[in-house]
Amino acid sequence: AQKVTQAQTEISVVEKEDVTLDCVYETRDTTYYLFWYKQPPSGELVFLIRRNSFDEQNEISGRYSWNFQKSTSSFNFTITASQVVDSAVYFCALSEDSYGQNFVFGPGTRLSVLP
Amino acid sequence: NAGVTQTPKFRVLKTGQSMTLLCAQDMNHEYMYWYRQDPGMGLRLIHYSVGEGTTAKGEVPDGYNVSRLKKQNFLLGLESAAPSQTSVYFCASRTGTGRGQPQHFGDGTRLSIL
Repeated sequence: AQKVTQAQTEISVVEKEDVTLDCVYETRDTTYYLFWYKQPPSGELVFLIRRNSFDEQNEISGRYSWNFQKSTSSFNFTITASQVVDSAVYFCALSEDSYGQNFVFGPGTRLSVLP
Repeated sequence: NAGVTQTPKFRVLKTGQSMTLLCAQDMNHEYMYWYRQDPGMGLRLIHYSVGEGTTAKGEVPDGYNVSRLKKQNFLLGLESAAPSQTSVYFCASRTGTGRGQPQHFGDGTRLSIL
């Protein structure tokens, strides 16, 4: 069965610190997709990134970077030089072909960036 | 650019009352979803639809019904509301073209059952 674990329930950092949010997944599919979403205090869910199981290249987008490692079933998210506006709940999600491409979400990590 | 619109945004019900949550998307997406979000549990799939006239159960379907009579709308119904259904409800949609496409979410409906 598919499963997504985000072991860090809450993280607090001081502005300008780097922070890594962990995501570990379980799947028996060889084809799957991983996602990160951000939920700021206003409540909406914002799509950040998608990665497919055949592409292990790391990705950097501004202060955000993602490290996908199939060997450890992890898809970690790093924010460099964090800012107060990064404060949010971050969700990792998994989509498998065998599950009709429906999503399974992790429980989320609440990140608080203090000024 | 409306995207996914949910109505209402807030609602308070008494136990036993019924109501319908409406989700509308203007992106011509084939797939639509209803989730509930509870503290510490992430988002859990209630029901979903892969096209007009079709619906399917998700992880937590009990106590809810859905209908997809038009491609752009996905309705979630509570026939007899219970306090355990107090939650934030999110609707999402995605294109059916291509694999692994992201879901796009509405802003949520905060529902309290007294």
